[in-house]
Amino acid sequence: EVQLVQSGAEVKKSGESLKISCQASGYIFNTYWIGWVRQMAGKGLEWMGIIHPGDSDIRYSPSFQGQVTISADKSLTTAYLQWSGLKASDTAMYYCVRHYDGNFDYWGQGTLVTVSS
Amino acid sequence: EIVLTQSPGTLSFSPGERATLSCRASQSVSSSYFAWYQQKPGQAPRLLIYGASSRATGIPDRFSGSGSGTEFTLTISRLEPEDFAVYYCQHYDSSLYTFGQGTKLEIK
Repeated sequence: EVQLVQSGAEVKKSGESLKISCQASGYIFNTYWIGWVRQMAGKGLEWMGIIHPGDSDIRYSPSFQGQVTISADKSLTTAYLQWSGLKASDTAMYYCVRHYDGNFDYWGQGTLVTVSS
Repeated sequence: EIVLTQSPGTLSFSPGERATLSCRASQSVSSSYFAWYQQKPGQAPRLLIYGASSRATGIPDRFSGSGSGTEFTLTISRLEPEDFAVYYCQHYDSSLYTFGQGTKLEIK
C-alpha cells in the first residue's frame, strides 16, 4: 500500500528556518516524482515544486522558486521541504504528493506550519 | 501560463440530484493530463479523475469526467451526502502544474 507520511505540525517565528519531511513507502521511491502543494487557510491548492529522487532533478513553480528548497534522501525514502527564513505568509498546510502521469495520485496527510511575527 | 477557471465558486444541490461542475482552461490543453480532486473538510485532497475521464482507483461510478480543449466537466450522477465537498481541477504541462480555484458543492 502506497503511503506518504508527513512530519508533525510546526510553530515557528519569522526568520527561523524549517525543514518538513514526507516519508514514502509501498512503492519504489526512486521511480516517481514527489512534490509539495501549499494550501493557505480557506484557500485553494498551489503547486510548489517537485523532485525526482532517482536523479535529484527538481522543478519549481515560478511562484516558489528561490523561496523554498526541495530535496530527497533515497536511503530514507523521504522528501523534504525547507525554508531558510520563514515569513508569516508561509503559514499554511503543506501536502506532499506523488506524481503519476500528470496528476497527483497519492497525498500525505498534511503538515500545518504556523509562523508568528 | 495556463489558467484554470472553475465557476461558479459554490453550487447548491440536494442529495440525489445530478451535479455538473465546470473547469475552463485559458488555452487549449491536453486532456491526457487533466484531473479532478475532491477535498473534504480537514482532509487531504484525493484524486477522482485523471486523463479527463478515467476514474481513479476506488472512485464510485457516479463520478464521471469529460471534456477536451478548453472545457472540462465533472459530473456526479446522484449526489450522496458524502459528496458535498470542494472540487478542484488540475492540469499538467511542461513540468508545470496548475489548479483551478475550486468549486464548493454544498447541500441545498
